[in-house]
Amino acid sequence: AQSVAQPEDQVNVAEGNPLTVKCTYSVSGNPYLFWYVQYPNRGLQFLLKYITGDNLVKGSYGFEAEFNKSQTSFHLKKPSALVSDSALYFCAVRDKSGSGYALNFGKGTSLLVTP
Amino acid sequence: NAGVTQTPKFRILKIGQSMTLQCTQDMNHNYMYWYRQDPGMGLKLIYYSVGAGITDKGEVPNGYNVSRSTTEDFPLRLELAAPSQTSVYFCASATPLAGSTDTQYFGPGTRLTVL
Repeated sequence: AQSVAQPEDQVNVAEGNPLTVKCTYSVSGNPYLFWYVQYPNRGLQFLLKYITGDNLVKGSYGFEAEFNKSQTSFHLKKPSALVSDSALYFCAVRDKSGSGYALNFGKGTSLLVTP
Repeated sequence: NAGVTQTPKFRILKIGQSMTLQCTQDMNHNYMYWYRQDPGMGLKLIYYSVGAGITDKGEVPNGYNVSRSTTEDFPLRLELAAPSQTSVYFCASATPLAGSTDTQYFGPGTRLTVL
């Protein structure tokens, strides 16, 4: 089965510092990987995805993610964090087992950016 | 273009009651999904649909039913509500194309409490 793991429940970073939210994957074949963000009491918003090609993927709100095949990782990064980036972040992988291309999600990482 | 809309936003049910969670998308997407989000657990797939008249079970379908009579609507039915169904429910839609992966767009969610 296709799965992702987010090893950190919470990440704390000071405003202006770089941030990294970690994600590792376990898939057969080439993975289709996604990052979503959820603000309090809101739905999930798409940030970026990796399908193929360049290992560095740029997305919304200044976020980017680096696909690393040897380390089976897809970490989310931002060079300079904002307080408004505080939210719940989900890594996901597209399922290949016939569930209509549904996503398998990690458990989420809460990002707290302090002023 | 409203995207994916869900009603109601909040609901409290008594054990044994039933209700329907509504989901509508105006993007002409073929694929639609229902997920539930439990704290610290990420999102789990309940049911999905690959087009009008076609539905199938996901990872956690017990206690739920769906129908897809139109492209736009994908209601989720809870029969005999149980406390274990207390969760936040998200509807999503996408149009996966042959040979590519499209993005899932999520609604704002329905927060359901069963007492």
